Amino acid sequence: AQTVTQSQPEMSVQEAETVTLSCTYDTSENNYYLFWYKQPPSRQMILVIRQEAYKQQNATENRFSVNFQKAAKSFSLKISDSQLGDTAMYFCAFMKQRGSEKLVFGKGTKLTVNP
Amino acid sequence: DAGVIQSPRHEVTEMGQEVTLRCKPISGHDYLFWYRQTMMRGLELLIYFNNNVPIDDSGMPEDRFSAKMPNASFSTLKIQPSEPRDSAVYFCASSLARGPETQYFGPGTRLLVL
Repeated sequence: AQTVTQSQPEMSVQEAETVTLSCTYDTSENNYYLFWYKQPPSRQMILVIRQEAYKQQNATENRFSVNFQKAAKSFSLKISDSQLGDTAMYFCAFMKQRGSEKLVFGKGTKLTVNP
Repeated sequence: DAGVIQSPRHEVTEMGQEVTLRCKPISGHDYLFWYRQTMMRGLELLIYFNNNVPIDDSGMPEDRFSAKMPNASFSTLKIQPSEPRDSAVYFCASSLARGPETQYFGPGTRLLVL
């Protein structure tokens, strides 16, 4: 079974600085997808960024980028120019290639952006 | 699009009562998922449907939980009888089979069983 580990339960960063959230996963699959979801205090789950394992290029979405290391089974999220609105829980998630739609989530990292 | 719609947003009930949570997926989406989020266990997939057919219900905790999808635009998750340990946030999500594999989540229903 696939597992997702987020080793940092809590992190904090100053506004405008850069922070990196860690995620590792365990799978025997070769093709899969990885996601970062954000959950602000409103509890809405919002997709931040996604990565296909067959793509070597790291995904980027504005201030958010990932460092995907397939061999190391690592998928970290970098937030540049942190904003107060980035304060939230961040969940890393794994999904096998189409055929099994299960999202397996990590336990989450609580990020606080300080003014 | 309105996104995934869930109702009610909050539910407080007493132990032993029946609880019904409702979900309307994004129009045209083929997959519908029910998740439960608790402090202890994090986010867990309970069940998911493809074209209204249940595909994997291995995450349903016990027989007190049941889910149905009578048509492409509506699903229910029922707990009967409810217990205090069922208190959690329940999320519904949907995704498109032919599009990106991204699942879009509803706002969740916060359930408290007293």
